[in-house]
Amino acid sequence: GENVEQHPSTLSVQEGDSAVIKCTYSDSASNYFPWYKQELGKRPQLIIDIRSNVGEKKDQRIAVTLNKTAKHFSLHITETQPEDSAVYFCAASIRAGGGNKLTFGTGTQLKVEL
Amino acid sequence: GAVVSQHPSWVICKSGTSVKIECRSLDFQATTMFWYRQFPKQSLMLMATSNEGSKATYEQGVEKDKFLINHASLTLSTLTVTSAHPEDSSFYICSASPGSNSPLHFGNGTRLTVT
Repeated sequence: GENVEQHPSTLSVQEGDSAVIKCTYSDSASNYFPWYKQELGKRPQLIIDIRSNVGEKKDQRIAVTLNKTAKHFSLHITETQPEDSAVYFCAASIRAGGGNKLTFGTGTQLKVEL
Repeated sequence: GAVVSQHPSWVICKSGTSVKIECRSLDFQATTMFWYRQFPKQSLMLMATSNEGSKATYEQGVEKDKFLINHASLTLSTLTVTSAHPEDSSFYICSASPGSNSPLHFGNGTRLTVT
């Protein structure tokens, strides 16, 4: 089955700096890679996703890059703000939606310091 | 759109009792729902895939007789933790997708504490 590794496990940045979280996956059949943000005690919220037919996707301060050859993808947050502090999870699946289950990475605790 | 609701948000029960958790898709139908478990400071681990009108598919190491799943309609799946023990204390989260090629949305989660 799919195995997703995520680094780093914790990340501390100064407000305004950029944060980068990296993930690798094992199953070359995976084609869908979402990122979720989870605040303490709350549900994971989808922040951005990318499909294998694109190499990069951007949404305001958030961007995701995908390298299918190397089987890794990354989340980039620019101009970080205190409200970006949370746990971020990457995930992988063959396809989005329906009965396609997601395999999650181990999570990154991001702390944005003033 | 794509709202997934879960009930209860938290529950405390005594060891040996059973607890039922409901997961509803409020504005879409879902033939498949997923149940995850999350221990403190850990990732989301898939427990089982709930299939409407048929048996659930359990992940390796998850006891199907302990975690009973029923998906009786296209908008409701239930997870019953039977004979709960303190080690079953965890955050249980369901999820569903509005359709093919649509992202997975999560319920608000249920914090289970077994005393």
